[in-house]
Amino acid sequence: KNEVEQSPQNLTAQEGEFITINCSYSVGISALHWLQQHPGGGIVSLFMLSSGKKKHGRLIATINIQEKHSSLHITASHPRDSAVYICAVRSPYEGATNKLIFGTGTLLAVQP
Amino acid sequence: NAGVTQTPKFQVLKTGQSMTLQCAQDMNHEYMSWYRQDPGMGLRLIHYSVGAGITDQGEVPNGYNVSRSTTEDFPLRLLSAAPSQTSVYFCASSYQAGWGAATEAFFGQGTRLTVV
Repeated sequence: KNEVEQSPQNLTAQEGEFITINCSYSVGISALHWLQQHPGGGIVSLFMLSSGKKKHGRLIATINIQEKHSSLHITASHPRDSAVYICAVRSPYEGATNKLIFGTGTLLAVQP
Repeated sequence: NAGVTQTPKFQVLKTGQSMTLQCAQDMNHEYMSWYRQDPGMGLRLIHYSVGAGITDQGEVPNGYNVSRSTTEDFPLRLLSAAPSQTSVYFCASSYQAGWGAATEAFFGQGTRLTVV
């Protein structure tokens, strides 16, 4: 079983819809990252969070440490949001390294 | 401020050839790492470095070498390319986090490598 599980694996939405992508993990963590990867493109960090909630524009990320679960929400989705969204966690037991454990990603397609 | 720069963006190799993927960052980050991304799998760590002169193996190091002679550069060498090394490679960097802490990760644009 993967230490970081994302759902759904694939998601198709209509422009304007509210989107939720989920991430569950089985290890203790010091932080969780949400990353975005456009087709054929690089990886961009959206959020890094260790508790509570963060908001940036139409994107909201939440984390529940007790339940080992995080969600990424996109409000008023737009075709330019189409990308792969990747959840990654950092375990505090990795000591001085910054090793990340990655989920397999959620492929989001927003149709106009 | 260029961030993390990877070259080349695309590469086709023949089996047995060698090559070096370049990675440079201008943020004075101590920590640099190389990942490979394969369909249906999360990014997997190949090698990492916590500072100049210090490197260590990650999850899938076989067939790859790294060195870290400067803070800025962290090249990845494929010694004798194999079709199993066909993948997308990402370099990443971040400040070094202490125990229990975390820092934001910065990624390069990726290198799409095909070994035929």
